[in-house]
Amino acid sequence: GAGVSQTPSNKVTEKGKYVELRCDPISGHTALYWYRQSLGQGPEFLIYFQGTGAADDSGLPNDRFFAVRPEGSVSTLKIQRTERGDSAVYLCASSTDSSGANVLTFGAGSRLTVL
Amino acid sequence: AQKITQTQPGMFVQEKEAVTLDCTYDTSDPSYGLFWYKQPSSGEMIFLIYQGSYDQQNATEGRYSLNFQKARKSANLVISASQLGDSAMYFCAMREFKAAGNKLTFGGGTRVLVKP
Repeated sequence: GAGVSQTPSNKVTEKGKYVELRCDPISGHTALYWYRQSLGQGPEFLIYFQGTGAADDSGLPNDRFFAVRPEGSVSTLKIQRTERGDSAVYLCASSTDSSGANVLTFGAGSRLTVL
Repeated sequence: AQKITQTQPGMFVQEKEAVTLDCTYDTSDPSYGLFWYKQPSSGEMIFLIYQGSYDQQNATEGRYSLNFQKARKSANLVISASQLGDSAMYFCAMREFKAAGNKLTFGGGTRVLVKP
């Protein structure tokens, strides 16, 4: 596609529920990143993929968070047993690869609200 | 320690005037890149400008320029001739080339409001 597409744009769920957020990167981009942005703060790194594999998952806050990219294109961020503190905008970005000056192109984000 | 520090939480600027947004960074990696992004109220992050640690000249991109002072570890963004559409959050970010992950690390941002 022309840009990075994220669905849903808004998700409201109850504490304890399971949530999936989807990211469709720019066609041909091998690197894909997930960030979390809380209100009034800068984006916080969660995980990035180079191809199908997670090259760096050091930002995942705990084992309730998991992400996959099985075919090296679309990625899904999965959050189990959601907590109110998980409420944030989840941003996905992609780039041609993960090196040097390559610019990350971001999607519009998925706003998650946990009640 | 914070890798990217943006000390100005918010600032006003008069339309058509220039504004400087501060960014300092912390790294021991000799090879790194610095990025500035704009985030309007719509929420999407828009890339503005890039500066590599070995670039000899300060980066410029239209009305955006980067005042890169390597010894001071600062990479301030200058927006010239401000327009109403420049009202947004601005984030400074760094990628350390030799560090594992090559991820971008962002600062806390500066909110700019352009007054007519």
